[in-house]
Amino acid sequence: DGGITQSPKYLFRKEGQNVTLSCEQNLNHDAMYWYRQDPGQGLRLIYYSQIVNDFQKGDIAEGYSVSREKKESFPLTVTSAQKNPTAFYLCASRDQPGADTQYFGPGTRLTVL
Amino acid sequence: DQQVKQNSPSLSVQEGRISILNCDYTNSMFDYFLWYKKYPAEGPTFLISISSIKDKNEDGRFTVFLNKSAKHLSLHIVPSQPGDSAVYFCAASVQGAQKLVFGQGTRLTINP
Repeated sequence: DGGITQSPKYLFRKEGQNVTLSCEQNLNHDAMYWYRQDPGQGLRLIYYSQIVNDFQKGDIAEGYSVSREKKESFPLTVTSAQKNPTAFYLCASRDQPGADTQYFGPGTRLTVL
Repeated sequence: DQQVKQNSPSLSVQEGRISILNCDYTNSMFDYFLWYKKYPAEGPTFLISISSIKDKNEDGRFTVFLNKSAKHLSLHIVPSQPGDSAVYFCAASVQGAQKLVFGQGTRLTINP
């Protein structure tokens, strides 16, 4: 089955700690994205990557970092510099050069205690 | 600067009737529009899309209408079913920009 997996589903972190969220896809898609969703708000873009070893900041990149060492993996690190890290984090991928449709993983709920 | 707006946070519709979800945008460069459906604690699922060269696209019970002059699109669901209860996001893109811009979402509740 092709798809996007995110782990873990729920993650708890103590304030001041860094944490890494996993995102893996076996769709052979070139582009991958990270969003966060907060209650009553839409999806806001954190980082995206169009190709291995390259990535760009989205609208709310401060306090986050990413890497893209492999085509199928795009991990997101939430650092202690992120002021409001509690949120629902969504990873997506998109086939290039196809249409702009993105396909999403199941998400990770991060709670800072 | 909210480029894509869904002005109705919630909508309640009776089962079997038509659900109409609305979305407005401000960037005239947007040329591709999508609707996603999202259940709580799950990732959004792609529903339907439309290119700016069209004004209507249908897929089963779902139809998306695009009014470019008004910078407005809508999603019609007919007939509405209980499983349609979810949050619906509209999104827009400029071809080649590699990014989607999302609205805030509308929570649709289908009442029996």
